[in-house]
Amino acid sequence: DTGVSQDPRHKITKRGQNVTFRCDPISEHNRLYWYRQTLGQGPEFLTYFQNEAQLEKSRLLSDRFSAERPKGSFSTLEIQRTEQGDSAMYLCASSLGRGGGIGGYTFGSGTRLTVV
Amino acid sequence: QKEVEQDPGPLSVPEGAIVSLNCTYSNSAFQYFMWYRQYSRKGPELLMYTYSSGNKEDGRFTAQVDKSSKYISLFIRDSQPSDSATYLCAMTTYTGGFKTIFGAGTRLFVKA
Repeated sequence: DTGVSQDPRHKITKRGQNVTFRCDPISEHNRLYWYRQTLGQGPEFLTYFQNEAQLEKSRLLSDRFSAERPKGSFSTLEIQRTEQGDSAMYLCASSLGRGGGIGGYTFGSGTRLTVV
Repeated sequence: QKEVEQDPGPLSVPEGAIVSLNCTYSNSAFQYFMWYRQYSRKGPELLMYTYSSGNKEDGRFTAQVDKSSKYISLFIRDSQPSDSATYLCAMTTYTGGFKTIFGAGTRLFVKA
């Protein structure tokens, strides 16, 4: 296992288009998280899954955002009708058990989204 | 007021110096404390995590937590140019629901 993989690494899209990102976590990790990071800021929590169940969503996750984790394996994050304010790095992380208490999170390299 | 405050720097030190990075927090419910290193255009990489007050050492890195003062620190000994990165503190609570908050990060430059 080579860690958390995210695809694509970069995405440029026109405002109003839909985009979808994929995350493949470390295979034995049961928890998967999505974060968003803008320049000069730390990652902001969006949502997390335990296996296939989405357990928590941030208020940052507007109706235009949806995340899935079918069968508790990979996850997708979709943004509909993108806006320029959606431009950010979208980070995926995974953990075994409680991410804060058992070894923290393992992050992927992120998907950098630019909305023009 | 942000729940987690971290000086963004930049912090510039000569090679071999001892580096001290700090965060303060306001929510006493935070139970787990982490430090991450992030290189440009990469995801954060976990350096240290702890859940109790006191010191934890790992090689050149020492994490310090003072829950009574709501203050955490990361010390880097014998700093190297390869340590040049952004350092993020993070803290997690499960009280009242899951929450992890990251600091804004401190940019560190270690000059050869």
